[in-house]
Amino acid sequence: DAGVIQSPRHEVTEMGQEVTLRCKPISGHNSLFWYRQTMMRGLELLIYFNNNVPIDDSGMPEDRFSAKMPNASFSTLKIQPSEPRDSAVYFCASSITGNSPLHFGNGTRLTVT
Amino acid sequence: DAKTTQPTSMDCAEGRAANLPCNHSTISGNEYVYWYRQIHSQGPQYIIHGLKNNETNEMASLIITEDRKSSTLILPHATLRDTAVYYCIVRPLSGSARQLTFGSGTQLTVLP
Repeated sequence: DAGVIQSPRHEVTEMGQEVTLRCKPISGHNSLFWYRQTMMRGLELLIYFNNNVPIDDSGMPEDRFSAKMPNASFSTLKIQPSEPRDSAVYFCASSITGNSPLHFGNGTRLTVT
Repeated sequence: DAKTTQPTSMDCAEGRAANLPCNHSTISGNEYVYWYRQIHSQGPQYIIHGLKNNETNEMASLIITEDRKSSTLILPHATLRDTAVYYCIVRPLSGSARQLTFGSGTQLTVLP
């Protein structure tokens, strides 16, 4: 079991650039979650999917953020255009169902200069 | 409006039991107690959850008081690798994922 795989592990970009974060959930898991972690705000749920369908995106901070899950084995979180305040660690997690324990990836550390 | 209260930090000697408390005095009858931990530079890791009975797995034990207003996570023989932030969360088993709210947690430092 490879666990939840996120890429890249680190991303440094300039303000205004597009950023795409990637996630491969655990095979057989039907729910996928995107979280953001900062020192100031802790872990925040941005959006989650059940069976590839977005269920709750109320945590997505702005229209600059979008997430897709084209199939059961892949999801992306895109920020366009990126801003310095988007700097954070972004975690993807998956679970068997929406109520099962979550399995987290090791995150993508995003730095926007 | 925090649903759980945890100490900010704790130390524990290597090889000894680590007992991490959590207060959840407003817990509802259908809410479970979940514990996760986050080791530095890693994603959170699920540890254990329970409703009212004590639970044990290969990682830890969870002791929930009879009135369910508090609980204790026990790591029976702490190792240096158990140094992490430990989060206590309450949520209904069938609730929304948004109800899995991570607070500030307890920074556990296991000392050699």
